[in-house]
Amino acid sequence: NAGVTQTPKFRVLKTGQSMTLLCAQDMNHEYMYWYRQDPGMGLRLIHYSVGEGTTAKGEVPDGYNVSRLKKQNFLLGLESAAPSQTSVYFCASSQAGGHSDTQYFGPGTRLTVL
Amino acid sequence: GQSLEQPSEVTAVEGAIVQINCTYQTSGFYGLSWYQQHDGGAPTFLSYNALDGLEETGRFSSFLSRSDSYGYLLLQELQMKDSASYFCAVRDHSNYQLIWGAGTKLIIKP
Repeated sequence: NAGVTQTPKFRVLKTGQSMTLLCAQDMNHEYMYWYRQDPGMGLRLIHYSVGEGTTAKGEVPDGYNVSRLKKQNFLLGLESAAPSQTSVYFCASSQAGGHSDTQYFGPGTRLTVL
Repeated sequence: GQSLEQPSEVTAVEGAIVQINCTYQTSGFYGLSWYQQHDGGAPTFLSYNALDGLEETGRFSSFLSRSDSYGYLLLQELQMKDSASYFCAVRDHSNYQLIWGAGTKLIIKP
């Protein structure tokens, strides 16, 4: 099993450009998440999904959109990138979102917006 | 609202014991989780406490006191590979999602 994979691993964008980050999991997990992590800070939730075809806003959703058309994939889109979106983006998945639900993370995407 | 506080950095010596504290404020409590993240890597789950007391997993233990809104991660027999950042996290009462502390960077000296 590959677990959680993310594409791409690194990307440099110019302000105003768009891109899509792809997350895939092969653990048949119901829940998927997109986080961003900035230096010296914890993870902040951007959007999440509790099942195929569903999405919900997290703590910092502005400037991002997501889609979960297939259970195993969760896409994060930036329509018009801004320097403030320079960050490391982590995707995660979990079985069912319960109290003790363990989240499994992908390796991250390092995004720089110039 | 919800918030967590943990020290930004802790330094310890190889072979020693270190404790990383976490205090939290939540409107509803569903348990305290701990994750480890090596530089350049992804967070990985370490432990979860829902009830008061100590949970032990090998060299790592995690403690919770719900009355004090406080928990800690205890690492014993420190090894150089334990050098990493450690995050505590609690559930957001409104949407049930994890809220993360800013992380504690553990520096281990030989």
